[in-house]
Amino acid sequence: ETGVTQTPRHLVMGMTNKKSLKCEQHLGHNAMYWYKQSAKKPLELMFVYSLEERVENNSVPSRFSPECPNSSHLFLHLHTLQPEDSALYLCASSQDYGFSYEQYFGPGTRLTVT
Amino acid sequence: DAKTTQPPSMDCAEGRAANLPCNHSTISGNEYVYWYRQIHSQGPQYIIHGLKNNETNEMASLIITEDRKSSTLILPHATLRDTAVYYCIVRVAVNTDKLIFGTGTRLQVFP
Repeated sequence: ETGVTQTPRHLVMGMTNKKSLKCEQHLGHNAMYWYKQSAKKPLELMFVYSLEERVENNSVPSRFSPECPNSSHLFLHLHTLQPEDSALYLCASSQDYGFSYEQYFGPGTRLTVT
Repeated sequence: DAKTTQPPSMDCAEGRAANLPCNHSTISGNEYVYWYRQIHSQGPQYIIHGLKNNETNEMASLIITEDRKSSTLILPHATLRDTAVYYCIVRVAVNTDKLIFGTGTRLQVFP
């Protein structure tokens, strides 16, 4: 138990669906992250939020839309995804942004796009 | 951030020490060495990090060579639950949060 929870743990969606992934951290951290882990590929950083402001967006397609309503919650809104977007989506948090604090990861959401 | 090189896989008998090597020959003076691991179907877990001195915590020990071009993560008494992919990451200490994961070492602990 890392103090970072993600829901749902598994999600199957069609290419025309709209769904959202949720992440919540109970650690009092100020920075939150979305990562993507495709099969047999290293983790890729997607977005970074610091104090609810987006500070990094690593060339992620617009069909992925993040939202950070407060420092404890992070969402990833999904729409018109492609089968190649099937992956494990991981949320992480750290004490603050920009100081290389260790990151605490949630268990991930296994997404399958059909 | 400097690149790292790790063996793709290693085996270790339960109860024995697991020594996981990492080469980072292009490391800069302000870059730390971090270790994470990822157990199957879970998120990565922070293990330990260090700059140039050896470090130890409740999970592992980190030995960094004097020239800082390589390091070794030591799990002193490996258990079956230590079976995971172990990632060695080099990153600067300030003004960045980039964790660049490579392909890591898949450690298999066997009974």
